[in-house]
Amino acid sequence: EADIYQTPRYLVIGTGKKITLECSQTMGHDKMYWYQQDPGMELHLIHYSYGVNSTEKGDLSSESTVSRIRTEHFPLTLESARPSHTSQYLCASSWNTGELFFGEGSRLTVL
Amino acid sequence: GENVEQHPSTLSVQEGDSAVIKCTYSDSASNYFPWYKQELGKRPQLIIDIRSNVGEKKDQRIAVTLNKTAKHFSLHITETQPEDSAVYFCAASIPGGFKTIFGAGTRLFVKA
Repeated sequence: EADIYQTPRYLVIGTGKKITLECSQTMGHDKMYWYQQDPGMELHLIHYSYGVNSTEKGDLSSESTVSRIRTEHFPLTLESARPSHTSQYLCASSWNTGELFFGEGSRLTVL
Repeated sequence: GENVEQHPSTLSVQEGDSAVIKCTYSDSASNYFPWYKQELGKRPQLIIDIRSNVGEKKDQRIAVTLNKTAKHFSLHITETQPEDSAVYFCAASIPGGFKTIFGAGTRLFVKA
């Protein structure tokens, strides 16, 4: 079934660790996005990509980085996690029509 | 850049009543205005959208209106039901659907 998948769904990690949140979509969308959201609160765009080898920073400053080597894959990496990074990270993808399809999210807790 | 303001932040209605959520946007180049519903612990999902060449769109109990001159758009839910309880986000994006910017969300409670 065409969908967008995120792993891990939940992650508890210590300060200073490197983490990568995985996002893959099987819908053939060119555009992919990462949003940061505290549960039920605002959605803040932190990264987006128009296609392979294209990445841009969003409107909310983030210490994370992203890569887009394959159309279907858009991982997000934090080199050194801190408690301030504790949040939910939502990956999304879209066609040119604009509708966003979201993954189920990765809930990160940094101790 | 685009800025989207959404009101109210919380809305409580009695089952069967109507609910209205309002949003304003700043970038006159925006031409696509979706509304997403996020139930507790779930991912946001599109419930209705409107493009700038249309003033109103309806889908069963849900309708959206757009006033391009005033740069505001609204979501109307009629005959509300308890399952309508969720957080609703309005959004705006420029042509091509790049960089969708969201409002802060409205938490809707429908009391049975």
